[in-house]
Amino acid sequence: RKEVEQDPGPFNVPEGATVAFNCTYSNSASQSFFWYRQDCRKEPKLLMSVYSSGNEDGRFTAQLNRASQYISLLIRDSKLSDSATYLCVVNIGSNTGKLIFGQGTTLQVKP
Amino acid sequence: NAGVMQNPRHLVRRRGQEARLRCSPMKGHSHVYWYRQLPEEGLKFMVYLQKENIIDESGMPKERFSAEFPKEGPSILRIQQVVRGDSAAYFCASSLSRGPYEQYFGPGTRLTVT
Repeated sequence: RKEVEQDPGPFNVPEGATVAFNCTYSNSASQSFFWYRQDCRKEPKLLMSVYSSGNEDGRFTAQLNRASQYISLLIRDSKLSDSATYLCVVNIGSNTGKLIFGQGTTLQVKP
Repeated sequence: NAGVMQNPRHLVRRRGQEARLRCSPMKGHSHVYWYRQLPEEGLKFMVYLQKENIIDESGMPKERFSAEFPKEGPSILRIQQVVRGDSAAYFCASSLSRGPYEQYFGPGTRLTVT
């Protein structure tokens, strides 16, 4: 079983749609959670950290369910510029900087 | 506020040559991480360094690969006697401190072994 699992997609949605991505992680000791965005052949860019209480940044909302070891990302009012691969990322513990990446979910927003 | 810098951006090496990849962290960051992304695969952790120390090298191949982060100057990822399977994008990230702090990535070095 992969340490971080994501549906690879692709998700093809029209502009203005709401889309949700899910992610599960296997290590219950995981402490920090993030969503990164990666455009084709470029570096991952931090989209947002994910907190137990859930957090929102503009059109983006992230949720964490520790009991189910499940993370989600909701994108409202999709823009063409949201087209990218979204990476679910987990950090195991406070003494290691090692990030574990999911394979990514590809989003294509169409006009 | 300069971000993480990596050079070269593209590197071509013949089999058996050495590759040296450089990374300068964001200003104020003293923790550096190297990740590798093979074609059509996800990012995989290689090594975590702090100034003059290797903290976690659990993702480094046992042979031919080494990393350092000297007191002065950039972090270096060194690959000796490259093989075709080393062709990949190598990304460096930095953070303010260890653990849960966000990591910010550089643009990567794309290594092609011919």
